[in-house]
Amino acid sequence: KNEVEQSPQNLTAQEGEFITINCSYSVGISALHWLQQHPGGGIVSLFMLSSGKKKHGRLIATINIQEKHSSLHITASHPRDSAVYICAVSHPLDFGNEKLTFGTGTRLTIIP
Amino acid sequence: NAGVTQTPKFRILKIGQSMTLQCAQDMNHNYMYWYRQDPGMGLKLIYYSVGAGITDKGEVPNGYNVSRSTTEYFPLRLELAAPSQTSVYFCASSYNPPGQPKNNEQFFGPGTRLTVL
Repeated sequence: KNEVEQSPQNLTAQEGEFITINCSYSVGISALHWLQQHPGGGIVSLFMLSSGKKKHGRLIATINIQEKHSSLHITASHPRDSAVYICAVSHPLDFGNEKLTFGTGTRLTIIP
Repeated sequence: NAGVTQTPKFRILKIGQSMTLQCAQDMNHNYMYWYRQDPGMGLKLIYYSVGAGITDKGEVPNGYNVSRSTTEYFPLRLELAAPSQTSVYFCASSYNPPGQPKNNEQFFGPGTRLTVL
């Protein structure tokens, strides 16, 4: 069974700060996902990565397969970045299917 | 495209009642999923489907049933509702072309908040 641990659980920062959210997992995976859950509850996929680094606007996601660790960074943070950020890992089910195991999320609050 | 839609948004049930949570997607995705999200916990997979007519259990299937008669719709049925089923339910879909590496980037619906009293 794969366990996904995120840290910190809660993070409050001032607008403009550089934000880092961490994710560790316990067994081999095929991909790691970062998702954003808005205050209203909707969930949006931000990144899916299996190696290296991806960048989208002010968001950067990195993964280290050997260390079983990923980070999500937000540069020049803004109050609209306030949300819960969820890490999830893909690993195999039977018959070639895969499932996601989710972390419990990091609640980020950016203060103007 | 509307993406993944779910109805209702909110519902209160009494113990022992039954209901169906509706989920539809218009992206022609072959895979569909039902999750529940409890406070302080990660999303848990209830059931999933890899195509019309094919469904399988996830981690927490007890007390639920699903069907997938068409690509677009994937309803979740609760029989004999219990307080332990109070949760937020998310439907999701993804496109995984047969014979190719799994993509598994999932698109989520807005959720249904269910309370069982």
